[in-house]
Amino acid sequence: DAGVIQSPRHEVTEMGQEVTLRCKPISGHNSLFWYRQTMMRGLELLIYFNNNVPIDDSGMPEDRFSAKMPNASFSTLKIQPSEPRDSAVYFCASGPGNTIYFGEGSWLTVV
Amino acid sequence: GQQLNQSPQSMFIQEGEDVSMNCTSSSIFNTWLWYKQDPGEGPVLLIALYKAGELTSNGRLTAQFGITRKDSFLNISASIPSDVGIYFCAGSFLAGTALIFGKGTTLSVSS
Repeated sequence: DAGVIQSPRHEVTEMGQEVTLRCKPISGHNSLFWYRQTMMRGLELLIYFNNNVPIDDSGMPEDRFSAKMPNASFSTLKIQPSEPRDSAVYFCASGPGNTIYFGEGSWLTVV
Repeated sequence: GQQLNQSPQSMFIQEGEDVSMNCTSSSIFNTWLWYKQDPGEGPVLLIALYKAGELTSNGRLTAQFGITRKDSFLNISASIPSDVGIYFCAGSFLAGTALIFGKGTTLSVSS
């Protein structure tokens, strides 16, 4: 079975550019999560959706970050404009509830 | 906010030794999960626990959901080099809420 699929796997972008990260959850899972991982802060929840509806976005750092889930098989996390401090690994995870399975991550570097 | 304290932060052991790590929370949790993360990859679910006192094994790994519902431990028996990685505990204190992650235990195994 296909796991959570994220793209791109790696992205290097210049400060001020827009970044869009994409996620395809595991089919049948009704919950989708976006996490950010850094050495300093570990794994932080950014936002999670249940049945395509955002439930908790309190972890979204600021207005530069936005996330959408237009249907059950696709979600995006957008950063506009990007800043060097946004450099991190961004993970998407999905689950039948909160037993969740992670994608391989999108490694973002903002220079 | 809710916090998870995971210990130890790192471990250096010899191949064949047993390993134990644990997590404690400031609140009662109703779900405990343990993940392993290899370099460059996303966290992989090892064991999920849903009931206080539950003891679950996955090969050489054993995890328990503490009776107080505020702690969990993970044991690895007869460690091997491929056990190297970062182990994360995660939990949720309320149905429908997202997982909170510990800071991780980095395991190094020398052969």
